[in-house]
Amino acid sequence: EVQLVESGGGLVQPGRSLRLSCAASGFTFDDYAMHWVRQAPGKGLEWVSGISWNSGSIGYADSVKGRFTISRDNAKNSLYLQMNSLRAEDTALYYCAKDMSAVGIVGATLDYWGQGTLVTVSS
Amino acid sequence: QSVLTQPPSVSGAPGQRVTISCTGSSSNIGAGYDVHWYQQLPGTAPKLLIYGNSNRPSGVPDRFSGSKSGTSASLAITGLQAEDEADYYCQSYDSSLSGSGVVFGGGTKLTVL
Repeated sequence: EVQLVESGGGLVQPGRSLRLSCAASGFTFDDYAMHWVRQAPGKGLEWVSGISWNSGSIGYADSVKGRFTISRDNAKNSLYLQMNSLRAEDTALYYCAKDMSAVGIVGATLDYWGQGTLVTVSS
Repeated sequence: QSVLTQPPSVSGAPGQRVTISCTGSSSNIGAGYDVHWYQQLPGTAPKLLIYGNSNRPSGVPDRFSGSKSGTSASLAITGLQAEDEADYYCQSYDSSLSGSGVVFGGGTKLTVL
């Protein structure tokens, strides 16, 4: 059974940093691209970032480019999102999602999702 | 504003058929990129409903179907059931001069009357 478990969310002040983690199990992690998708309270889904199986292809939404960094550790079956210079508008539930393909990004198809970790940016 | 446009809400009675549209442009759906659909039940994570425009993952009832034409795509639900009440999102890829990336529609809330 595929499982994606996010962690690392919490309350943080504007301008500070936070690192999210996603622990994957139930599939061969290094065979697939992975993504972060967020959902602000009461709002729709917003793609944040994606990374290919070997970290050779990485993409970011314009809203986070230059502030967020996605990475993965295939030996630990883990996905990460380093979030710097956080803003109030980054407040959201952050989902980790598995892609159906290894390359991802262009043909991104998110077939499994975690339950999310809540990030609240407020002073 | 979302790159992909969906109606904010649709509704239908049990047993009826409803459709949800997803309108894009020449830089996303019209460029040939696939459209995928997700169902988000209240308080839960999204679930892949349709992938590659018209394919259903294992376990998704055949009451759900997808199609794509030109710069738009549609999700159809037949034999509407109370458990179908949820938010539905389309998703594709957008590549334009200003940038590129994965894009979602704004979402459509389906109400079963």
